[in-house]
Amino acid sequence: QQPVQSPQAVILREGEDAVINCSSSKALYSVHWYRQKHGEAPVFLMILLKGGEQKGHEKISASFNEKKQQSSLYLTASQLSYSGTYFCGTARSGGGADGLTFGKGTHLIIQP
Amino acid sequence: EAGVAQSPRYKIIEKRQSVAFWCNPISGHATLYWYQQILGQGPKLLIQFQNNGVVDDSQLPKDRFSAERLKGVDSTLKIQPAKLEDSAVYLCASSLWGSSYEQYFGPGTRLTVT
Repeated sequence: QQPVQSPQAVILREGEDAVINCSSSKALYSVHWYRQKHGEAPVFLMILLKGGEQKGHEKISASFNEKKQQSSLYLTASQLSYSGTYFCGTARSGGGADGLTFGKGTHLIIQP
Repeated sequence: EAGVAQSPRYKIIEKRQSVAFWCNPISGHATLYWYQQILGQGPKLLIQFQNNGVVDDSQLPKDRFSAERLKGVDSTLKIQPAKLEDSAVYLCASSLWGSSYEQYFGPGTRLTVT
């Protein structure tokens, strides 16, 4: 089942904050966040395992609410380099057949 | 540390022709994935290998797609015969061991079927 991402697109000014959400109707084992720029491969941002932990590095952090099967990606004080399409990928198990199911993506545009 | 390598980067073929893609994962990564990404969409899993065994190929169109991972390292994905709807970017990714670890993607192969 494909996770649902929101919003579909967002336009920000440099320095503003953004939140991207990812929700699933099925129980999840892990949520992975990626950023993809046009014509390039997805770049790994972070992984959250079930347990409701929150992770972050520099100005990008994420949370995973296991009870609601929702994850959010937080971008603070956005920079021009943050522009791109953000995908969440979800896995329902931690072993065996656990390839990621990706959402449709959130297009983020940062303007100077 | 070298990343995931893929070749070719671009391929243009006519429908009903065959094509093969190659992937070399990050050294030591046991799990290898092939994804198909159609323009404007998220990647879609085609097949997952754990070492040299297939773990999940439920979304692989087996009448035309095949994949193998010899000796648990390199992998090839083949399409025969190709259809117009196969036009996409084919991404290879690898991880240490399954979804508990981050997946690293290669640059992808952009396939155009005319």
